[in-house]
Amino acid sequence: NAGVIQTPRHKVTGKGQEATLWCEPISGHSAVFWYRQTIVQGLEFLTYFRNQAPIDDSGMPKERFSAQMPNQSHSTLKIQSTQPQDSAVYLCASSVQGNERLFFGHGTKLSVL
Amino acid sequence: GEQVEQLPSSLIVQEGASVLINCSYTDSASVYFPWYKQEPGKRLQFIIDIRSNMERKQTQRLTLLFDKKTKHLSLHITATQPGDSAIYFCSASNDYGSSGNKLIFGIGTLLSVKP
Repeated sequence: NAGVIQTPRHKVTGKGQEATLWCEPISGHSAVFWYRQTIVQGLEFLTYFRNQAPIDDSGMPKERFSAQMPNQSHSTLKIQSTQPQDSAVYLCASSVQGNERLFFGHGTKLSVL
Repeated sequence: GEQVEQLPSSLIVQEGASVLINCSYTDSASVYFPWYKQEPGKRLQFIIDIRSNMERKQTQRLTLLFDKKTKHLSLHITATQPGDSAIYFCSASNDYGSSGNKLIFGIGTLLSVKP
């Protein structure tokens, strides 16, 4: 079991470009969470899917961030017009159901130049 | 919204020592408090949790204490080993189980255990 798979591991974009981050949850898991990790802010909640349906996107910057889960095997986080302050490690986590015992991926380190 | 604070932000101990990591939260509606650790270069991993209807939970060398009245938790790690070196995160949520909601994390406590 490879666990939660996130691709790419590293992504470098220029200011204003688009970035798409991918997450493959553990098979059979119905809950998928996205978090952003920085030294200054720590772990910030972005959004949460349950059985592919969006449940809570209260942490998503509304204008440029969007997340989807088109099927049970993957979720994407898209950032349009990336800004230097978007630089962070973006973490995806899944669980059998709900918020107990999340399994995290290695994360995607996004660097916006 | 919920805010979670952790103290200390970092600590260094000798192998074999015991450590205490403190966590406080603000939202009295929070009922579920899982802890995670992140070893250097590795994924965040779940280590222990407690619900608001409990005061204490223990697993191996970890003991988690919860005080609902003061909105305070403490994680006690005994007989520390260099392999315990990691960042430890406290988190809180207003629900758990199948309807469980987002976890709000503290900033983390960096533990370094010297051999």
